Amino acid sequence: QQQVKQSPQSLIVQKGGISIINCAYENTAFDYFPWYQQFPGKGPALLIAIRPDVSEKKEGRFTISFNKSAKQFSLHIMDSQPGDSATYFCAATTSNTGKLIFGQGTTLQVKP
Amino acid sequence: NAGVMQNPRHLVRRRGQEARLRCSPMKGHSHVYWYRQLPEEGLKFMVYLQKENIIDESGMPKERFSAEFPKEGPSILRIQQVVRGDSAAYFCASSPLAGVSADTQYFGPGTRLTVL
Repeated sequence: QQQVKQSPQSLIVQKGGISIINCAYENTAFDYFPWYQQFPGKGPALLIAIRPDVSEKKEGRFTISFNKSAKQFSLHIMDSQPGDSATYFCAATTSNTGKLIFGQGTTLQVKP
Repeated sequence: NAGVMQNPRHLVRRRGQEARLRCSPMKGHSHVYWYRQLPEEGLKFMVYLQKENIIDESGMPKERFSAEFPKEGPSILRIQQVVRGDSAAYFCASSPLAGVSADTQYFGPGTRLTVL
């Protein structure tokens, strides 16, 4: 029940295309869903986050879509660029518990 | 405004030695979290600390691992009698005291532990 399942494990997209990464959860107590971007040898960097009171949040080329009834959320990267090539992690937590539950990660490669 | 700082960045230990990993949270943050990342895997929660208090250690192995966040100084993750399976990247994160922003965790660059 504490798991967050992420797919796909890897993704190859052409420059300018849309990258889509999906996550699913079971614990209905989760109420905060961040996405992190990690480059090799670096720490995860917060990209964008959403709470379940909205169905979509957009920041620049990054959009989170959230489906509360299906217990799913996804990250869309519009106009993908080679510099977006990294590993992306979704996560979920219940407010004020401090315990982020991470998905397994998606390695994105954007081809020039 | 400096981010989360961790040191050392790389640590090599032989089996049976002790490893001490240090984390200084972002300025103004009083919550610290430790996560472990095994090769090709996601991050796993280990422990959540506030100053002088362990809030949640449900992800810590029962033996050999301990964590502290003293009133003064950095948070320390200590691994005694390391084994090869402890080889991993250990990340520290911090968050502000309270409020909506309290759930937002900012990660440090990590300490990569290699056990020979």
